[in-house]
Amino acid sequence: QKEVEQNSGPLSVPEGAIASLNCTYSDRVSQSFFWYRQYSGKSPELIMSIYSNGDKEDGRFTAQLNKASQYVSLLIRDSQPSDSATYLCALGGGADGLTFGKGTHLIIQP
Amino acid sequence: DVKVTQSSRYLVKRTGEKVFLECVQDMDHENMFWYRQDPGLGLRLIYFSYDVKMKEKGDIPEGYSVSREKKERFSLILESASTNQTSMYLCASSLGASDTQYFGPGTRLTVL
Repeated sequence: QKEVEQNSGPLSVPEGAIASLNCTYSDRVSQSFFWYRQYSGKSPELIMSIYSNGDKEDGRFTAQLNKASQYVSLLIRDSQPSDSATYLCALGGGADGLTFGKGTHLIIQP
Repeated sequence: DVKVTQSSRYLVKRTGEKVFLECVQDMDHENMFWYRQDPGLGLRLIYFSYDVKMKEKGDIPEGYSVSREKKERFSLILESASTNQTSMYLCASSLGASDTQYFGPGTRLTVL
């Protein structure tokens, strides 16, 4: 069974700094990887997906994937108070949809 | 634009009642999912469906059933609601099993 591990936090980062969120997984056959953001009381929304080793950038967000080491990370540059949320890592590769981590609670301090 | 809707944002029911939660997607997605989310436990998969009239149990199917009579609609049924089913219920859909899942706004269910 696939497992996705995330530090639950809270991870506290000063406004304007880089927030680094990490995720490790156990299943070597996973092919798709996702980062979702979830505000309190709201549903998860997709930030980024990544499928190949290396970095993928989208605005202030960069996803990094290393399949050999089985980790995926999300960097948020120039962190803003509006980035305060729980970030869920998810991976795909099976017939039963995505496997989600429990999330990391990020707090951006003004 | 991607759209997943759920029938209610907030719902209050009594113990023993039969509860229906409905989810509709307008993206012609094959796959639909029902999760519940509780503090500290993350998202837990209840049931999923990969085609009309097809359903598969997830990690925590006990006390729940589902129905998918049309491609765009996936219903979650609590046959006899219990207090331990008080939770946030989230519906999602995806084109392929390993593709991006798009979530509805969620239903916060309270069973008294």
